[in-house]
Amino acid sequence: KAGVTQTPRYLIKTRGQQVTLSCSPISGHRSVSWYQQTPGQGLQFLFEYFSETQRNKGNFPGRFSGRQFSNSRSEMNVSTLELGDSALYLCASMVDQETQYFGPGTRLLVL
Amino acid sequence: DAKTTQPPSMDCAEGRAANLPCNHSTISGNEYVYWYRQIHSQGPQYIIHGLKNNETNEMASLIITEDRKSSTLILPHATLRDTAVYYCIVRANNAGNMLTFGGGTRLMVKP
Repeated sequence: KAGVTQTPRYLIKTRGQQVTLSCSPISGHRSVSWYQQTPGQGLQFLFEYFSETQRNKGNFPGRFSGRQFSNSRSEMNVSTLELGDSALYLCASMVDQETQYFGPGTRLLVL
Repeated sequence: DAKTTQPPSMDCAEGRAANLPCNHSTISGNEYVYWYRQIHSQGPQYIIHGLKNNETNEMASLIITEDRKSSTLILPHATLRDTAVYYCIVRANNAGNMLTFGGGTRLMVKP
């Protein structure tokens, strides 16, 4: 099976812009979770989607949002970008309540 | 989810076994121990998980103490490609899909 894919892999934006990141889970996986990784805060949970519904949300401002489509693909959006949003954004998929498998990540740089 | 404690860094000679400890003294009866590793700037890679019995797969072995308050991940013959940050996470499979990452152990395999 193909693994979790994330696009784009690298992205440069300026403050105030918005960005949309995409995640395609492993075939058959219905749960998609998003994480942010920064040098200062480490790996932090953003939110999780299952069957197009957000089930869990981490402690992030409302500028961070996401959605899941009927084919389980997911997108996350960050509006009004800030310098501190520069990070590696990781997507993980699982069947449900089982082992999570991570994608390669999208590295976002906000200038 | 229970908190885990890992040493921040360890060294290992190439070809020798790498033994990475993890303390999870507040683990609950239904929580599994998961191990992931992250090679520089890539997505975390699933290694192994277990509940109370020792587990082995093609990558590693997981030894869980009888009281389940600590565990050890063993890489039997470490190679330079095993240099990575190793994360120990405890999670109940029926408690949502959020993983809580700590600081992990930075393993340096040296020639």
